[in-house]
Amino acid sequence: DSGVTQTPKHLITATGQRVTLRCSPRSGDLSVYWYQQSLDQGLQFLIQYYNGEERAKGNILERFSAQQFPDLHSELNLSSLELGDSALYFCASSVDSGRASAREQYFGPGTRLTVT
Amino acid sequence: SQQGEEDPQALSIQEGENATMNCSYKTSINNLQWYRQNSGRGLVHLILIRSNEREKHSGRLRVTLDTSKKSSSLLITASRAADTASYFCAPKTMDSSYKLIFGSGTRLLVRP
Repeated sequence: DSGVTQTPKHLITATGQRVTLRCSPRSGDLSVYWYQQSLDQGLQFLIQYYNGEERAKGNILERFSAQQFPDLHSELNLSSLELGDSALYFCASSVDSGRASAREQYFGPGTRLTVT
Repeated sequence: SQQGEEDPQALSIQEGENATMNCSYKTSINNLQWYRQNSGRGLVHLILIRSNEREKHSGRLRVTLDTSKKSSSLLITASRAADTASYFCAPKTMDSSYKLIFGSGTRLLVRP
């Protein structure tokens, strides 16, 4: 158990809908990272938050957004869902901001999203 | 950050044998991290080796780093069926970027 929790574990929804994925980082970790893993794209970095502020952006679509709340939990919002958005979405946390001396990231169990 | 390239893409060995996976990268790094992923599960951090280290051990894992060749290797000794998983390396560059970029990984199958 990494100490990172993600809800829900599974989500099935229709195209065009909007969903929210939730992540609670390990106690004491200030950074939260979101990743998308699909069969054809592999593990893709989406976005990072550090202590409530956006720190880095990856291949995140404009239809997707995220935020980190004062209690450090984070939410990833996916809207206007398409079939291609079906994937595993992972959240990870680390104790630092991820700069040059970056330490390890701890991953949650993921949310499996199926868009039908 | 930059992407690490793992090699081989897939590896099948008998239980008890050693497994070696390699990672190559392109630019200078601050550290390099190895992760394991069991099918459909989250990644698990295995080991972090800093640029000024050449070798690091953790249980049955041995990681080496050759910054002159921009490469790293992960050795799993006396493999077990439970080691069956995908293994990813993630080089962390010297710049101020924050993210880790994962490659395609090495899929390891340990046959009982």
